[in-house]
Amino acid sequence: DAGVTQSPTHLIKTRGQQVTLRCSPKSGHDTVSWYQQALGQGPQFIFQYYEEEERQRGNFPDRFSGHQFPNYSSELNVNALLLGDSALYLCASSLPRGLNTEAFFGQGTRLTVV
Amino acid sequence: AQSVTQLDSQVPVFEEAPVELRCNYSSSVSVYLFWYVQYPNQGLQLLLKYLSGSTLVESINGFEAEFNKSQTSFHLRKPSVHISDTAEYFCAVSQDPMNTGFQKLVFGTGTRLLVSP
Repeated sequence: DAGVTQSPTHLIKTRGQQVTLRCSPKSGHDTVSWYQQALGQGPQFIFQYYEEEERQRGNFPDRFSGHQFPNYSSELNVNALLLGDSALYLCASSLPRGLNTEAFFGQGTRLTVV
Repeated sequence: AQSVTQLDSQVPVFEEAPVELRCNYSSSVSVYLFWYVQYPNQGLQLLLKYLSGSTLVESINGFEAEFNKSQTSFHLRKPSVHISDTAEYFCAVSQDPMNTGFQKLVFGTGTRLLVSP
């Protein structure tokens, strides 16, 4: 089992550009969540996808959007990048129902905006 | 809204000494609590979780945490730490504010455990 895989591992973008990050969930998982972890901070919930629909969303602007494909993989898109978007972006997969569902995290994508 | 407070940003300790990393949460409803560990340049790994039942939960590598409902705490402890335990530790609570059946995790700001020889 490969677990949760994310690509790319590192990325450098210029302010104002757009970026797409990718995530493949753990085998058997159909729910994908995205988190942003700024330097020295805990992860912050961005949104969650299940059955190709956004189910929950955190306090992030519309510049952050996502997509889930029929094979459960997911993309995170960020438009009009700001310097403050520099962070580690973590993808987590889980089974959808219940508050006790364990979330498995990928290694993350380190995004640097210059 | 639920929140998680980790009172110590950094905890230095000598190898083989005991350690406690503190975590408090605020919630008016039942919660599920987690501790995650993050090694340098890596993602998060689940260390242990409290769902229900015994208030003392243990991990396979010697860590334990005790759920204390009256003090709304979920402190992490280890009786004897190793150099390899040096990492960032995050306490988290599972939240479903809109009762959708889908959980999201609310994390604390993390505690950096520094184990020295």
